[in-house]
Amino acid sequence: SAVISQKPSRDICQRGTSLTIQCQVDSQVTMMFWYRQQPGQSLTLIATANQGSEATYESGFVIDKFPISRPNLTFSTLTVSNMSPEDSSIYLCSVEASDYGYTFGSGTRLTVV
Amino acid sequence: QKEVEQNSGPLSVPEGAIASLNCTYSDRGSQSFFWYRQYSGKSPELIMFIYSNGDKEDGRFTAQLNKASQYVSLLIRDSQPSDSATYLCAVKSSGTYKYIFGTGTRLKVLA
Repeated sequence: SAVISQKPSRDICQRGTSLTIQCQVDSQVTMMFWYRQQPGQSLTLIATANQGSEATYESGFVIDKFPISRPNLTFSTLTVSNMSPEDSSIYLCSVEASDYGYTFGSGTRLTVV
Repeated sequence: QKEVEQNSGPLSVPEGAIASLNCTYSDRGSQSFFWYRQYSGKSPELIMFIYSNGDKEDGRFTAQLNKASQYVSLLIRDSQPSDSATYLCAVKSSGTYKYIFGTGTRLKVLA
């Protein structure tokens, strides 16, 4: 299965600022997925990132707030913009490298103060 | 709205017992079913997947699928304290790349 390097692992940010999260995959994948996991909650899909095209956002998530880049088949970034305390969460990237489910990055634990 | 339901727990079992985790889903078009284990502060890791009705065994883990009842379960035999984690059920529908995750069941194995 694919191995994903995600960074930063955690950060504490001031409200109103932005944070960019990076994910590097050790193999080429068509789609990368960005999830949010709020405290005590399950995983919510933010968007799907395809190389060479704009990301597809789920209901409730918009590009201005969560811009995504996908410059090649092994890398993607998610930016959390104009942060508020409600954005405090764990952000996870993932790929479906086979038919056997997702592989997740190690996650970014974001605290907005 | 497609949903995946799990009892949030905690489910407490003594060491050595069988832990039974359950999941129901609403989309009859679902084709693939996954169980993920998530330790506190860590990301989910895949432990089992099942596509066909019946049982699938892998070591101490058995996944059970009943598509007619829209029900998937995970049995953990000889439970160990190291199995204490949150177990997430995920469902993928045919013709889609999206997974729908349940809210997870927290399992506590008591030594």
